[in-house]
Amino acid sequence: KNEVEQSPQNLTAQEGEFITINCSYSVGISALHWLQQHPGGGIVSLFMLSSGKKKHGRLIATINIQEKHSSLHITASHPRDSAVYICAVRGLLLGGADGLTFGKGTHLIIQP
Amino acid sequence: NAGVTQTPKFQVLKTGQSMTLQCAQDMNHEYMSWYRQDPGMGLRLIHYSVGAGITDQGEVPNGYNVSRSTTEDFPLRLLSAAPSQTSVYFCASRQGGLGNSPLHFGNGTRLTVT
Repeated sequence: KNEVEQSPQNLTAQEGEFITINCSYSVGISALHWLQQHPGGGIVSLFMLSSGKKKHGRLIATINIQEKHSSLHITASHPRDSAVYICAVRGLLLGGADGLTFGKGTHLIIQP
Repeated sequence: NAGVTQTPKFQVLKTGQSMTLQCAQDMNHEYMSWYRQDPGMGLRLIHYSVGAGITDQGEVPNGYNVSRSTTEDFPLRLLSAAPSQTSVYFCASRQGGLGNSPLHFGNGTRLTVT
C-alpha cells in the first residue's frame, strides 16, 4: 500500500505570501490528485496530474515522478484560500478498485 | 448539473439504529464510491461501484452495505449503528474505465452515533 505524507500539517501565512504544500509517496503511481476542503464544506478536485506541471489561476501543481514528490503552490494567497488541502495518489494497478490513498491533509490559514 | 448530492447533511443515531445515507449524481458517471473521514486520518474507502449492479468492498467495509440499482444512485446503509461509525461520510463519483479522471465529491454527511 502506498504511503502518502504531506507537509506541513498546518500552515499559517499572511495574505499575499507564496504558499507551498508538499506531498511525498512511497511507490509508483498512475496519477496524483490535489483536493481542497473548506471548513464544514465539501471536497473539490483542484488538479489531477501524472507528470509535469499544471496551472489554474493562482494555483500551480507540479510532480516529480522520479522523486515521488508533488507540490501545490498558491501565488498571491488570499484569506479565501484558507482550507485543508489533500493529496491523493492512485497506484499503478488499475482496475475496479479506486486504488486511491489519501494524505492526512494540510490545514492552511491565510490571515488578512 | 447538480453534481453529486448527498442527504442528509447531519444525522444523530442511537447505537443499534439503522439508516441509509443517500447519494445521487447526474453526470452519468459509472464509478461511485463512499469514503469516511476521521480526525487525524486520510479519507478511507468504504465501498465502491463501477456500474449499475456491480459493487465491491473498499478498505473499511464492515458495518456498511451498498447497492447500485441505477447509474445515478448509490446509497450507503448502516444496519446497526455503532459509536465507531461516528464520522463524516463523503460520496464521490468519476467517469468510469481504467483510466484516471477527476473525482467529484458530495458535500458530506456528518453522522454521530451515541
